[in-house]
Amino acid sequence: GDSVTQMEGPVTLSEEAFLTINCTYTATGYPSLFWYVQYPGEGLQLLLKATKADDKGSNKGFEATYRKETTSFHLEKGSVQVSDSAVYFCALSPRGAQKLVFGQGTRLTINP
Amino acid sequence: DVKVTQSSRYLVKRTGEKVFLECVQDMDHENMFWYRQDPGLGLRLIYFSYDVKMKEKGDIPEGYSVSREKKERFSLILESASTNQTSMYLCASIPRQGAVSPLHFGNGTRLTVT
Repeated sequence: GDSVTQMEGPVTLSEEAFLTINCTYTATGYPSLFWYVQYPGEGLQLLLKATKADDKGSNKGFEATYRKETTSFHLEKGSVQVSDSAVYFCALSPRGAQKLVFGQGTRLTINP
Repeated sequence: DVKVTQSSRYLVKRTGEKVFLECVQDMDHENMFWYRQDPGLGLRLIYFSYDVKMKEKGDIPEGYSVSREKKERFSLILESASTNQTSMYLCASIPRQGAVSPLHFGNGTRLTVT
């Protein structure tokens, strides 16, 4: 079945460091791909998305590119801030389906 | 602004109790979902609903049921709570046109079963 695998956490970085959180997926066909973020005490909110191969999603300085050949959607940010501390979830939506499959989440902590 | 409201942030229940978790959305969305969130396991889909009185099992429906009598309200029911149902429960909704629209989540209900 469809699945998403994220890099193990937690991840701890210093402010202004470069961030990569790896995400790979298994799916039939061509799913849509998403990154969601969960700040402390809140529900999840969409960070960015990509709906077809080679699409790049971007928001708040974060980027991720839909790579069909490597079935990946890695999240990157050039210079993280303390306010980026949160749990990040990679997710996919199978083509034609109305639900999301989530990865296990990666907890990110940014130290000043 | 879009809003999904879960009735309780924290609940503590005893083993064997019947538990109701309520979720209301104000966006006229057709599709609603219940997930549970556990460390290291991410979000797992319990049940979802495409319309009033319609429901579909997700990946982990055992021990749960749902009710959707009105479009805006989707209830998750634990018929006889057990300690392994201690978790964070998240409700979400999305319009019918599909999951390329973002899911809108509530803030979650942290349930502890003792």
